[in-house]
Amino acid sequence: ETGVTQTPRHLVMGMTNKKSLKCEQHLGHNAMYWYKQSAKKPLELMFVYSLEERVENNSVPSRFSPECPNSSHLFLHLHTLQPEDSALYLCASSQQNTEAFFGQGTRLTVV
Amino acid sequence: GENVEQHPSTLSVQEGDSAVIKCTYSDSASNYFPWYKQELGKRPQLIIDIRSNVGEKKDQRIAVTLNKTAKHFSLHITETQPEDSAVYFCAASQAFSYSSASKIIFGSGTRLSIRP
Repeated sequence: ETGVTQTPRHLVMGMTNKKSLKCEQHLGHNAMYWYKQSAKKPLELMFVYSLEERVENNSVPSRFSPECPNSSHLFLHLHTLQPEDSALYLCASSQQNTEAFFGQGTRLTVV
Repeated sequence: GENVEQHPSTLSVQEGDSAVIKCTYSDSASNYFPWYKQELGKRPQLIIDIRSNVGEKKDQRIAVTLNKTAKHFSLHITETQPEDSAVYFCAASQAFSYSSASKIIFGSGTRLSIRP
């Protein structure tokens, strides 16, 4: 185990639904990340959090809303998604400029 | 912002031969360059990394070289084995000066296949 856990592993949602992805890290890292992995853009940075503060929003549409209540937990709230948002969403954590540890991802399908 | 280009997108080599994957980056502030391997259905995992104050690093069959002036770095795998088949990602990272996080930008990946 890498110490980064994501739930759920799979999610199917309609375009009008609201759902949340959860990430938890047990590594004592100060930074957490959301990445989107699709065939078009294999590892696309979405958000970066440092000690619960968002430090980067990589031009992500507002239908994706991150939340970091503490340094161990990271959420991605989803609402009114589009079919093109279907992808694997990966969470990662790290200390500054060191190895990033990834979770196993949530496979999201928007119908 | 940082942009990382990775080539080739697919690579097929005979078992026992060497494989080379190349990446270029655009932002001279990037100073940490990790390489990740992602097997089918699994999460990306670090295989080797290099910092900007080092030109080359080796770990058994895997080596990475960095040319800071040209802003390119490469992954070399020697004596390839079937278990080396996977997607490999390079990345360029720089720390945010006002936080404990880093901006880690990945290349588009190389699908490596090892022919028996």
